Amino acid sequence: QVQLVESGGGVVQPGRSLRLSCAASGFIFSNYAMNWVRQAPGKGLQWVAVMSYDGINKNYAASVKGRFTISGDNSQNTLYLQMSSLRPEDTAVYYCARAKDRATVVTPFDYWGQGTLVTVSS
Amino acid sequence: QSVLTQPPSTSGTPGQRVTISCSGSSSNIGSNIVNWYQQLPGAAPKLLIYSNSQRPSGVPDRFSGSKTGTSISLAISGLQSEDEADYYCAAWDDSLNGWVFGGGTKVTVL
Repeated sequence: QVQLVESGGGVVQPGRSLRLSCAASGFIFSNYAMNWVRQAPGKGLQWVAVMSYDGINKNYAASVKGRFTISGDNSQNTLYLQMSSLRPEDTAVYYCARAKDRATVVTPFDYWGQGTLVTVSS
Repeated sequence: QSVLTQPPSTSGTPGQRVTISCSGSSSNIGSNIVNWYQQLPGAAPKLLIYSNSQRPSGVPDRFSGSKTGTSISLAISGLQSEDEADYYCAAWDDSLNGWVFGGGTKVTVL
């Protein structure tokens, strides 16, 4: 069965960096686009980034563009989110989510991980 | 401020029908398909409706979606206690070149 397991969250000071990981299993990782979505405490969902199945196309939310980088390692079946210049408003649970169809990034998120909490605070 | 607009909350008694609206613009709902996600308390979101009105395998047919122009609605018929959750609409935005979500609607079963 499809499983997505995030890790790497924690408490980090403003301005510092952190890398999140999402270990995928139960499907051919290199065949699917992947997303990161976050949820601040008590708030709604906010899309963060998407990477196409071949790693060529990457799109970011305006609030993280230039600070966050999405990437993947097909040999490890793992998705990453490198976050730099972190701000208190980046505090959230970060979910990775698989895109349903291979051919496009404009396709719903059919599987989600359980999330990992990132807290940006001094 | 979310790009897609949803009411913050709605409620109903068991067996009732409730609807949740989601309004956007020509760059998102008006030109792309919309998906709905259900988030039960303390859980990760789950795909509930995709491509405006399609249900993934395992989603009861009590849930339905309907789109008109730049708005879409989610209907829950025969409301059950396990439907108490937050519901989010989402669409690709051609201007922003990314996904946008509604602010979420909390459904309470009285």
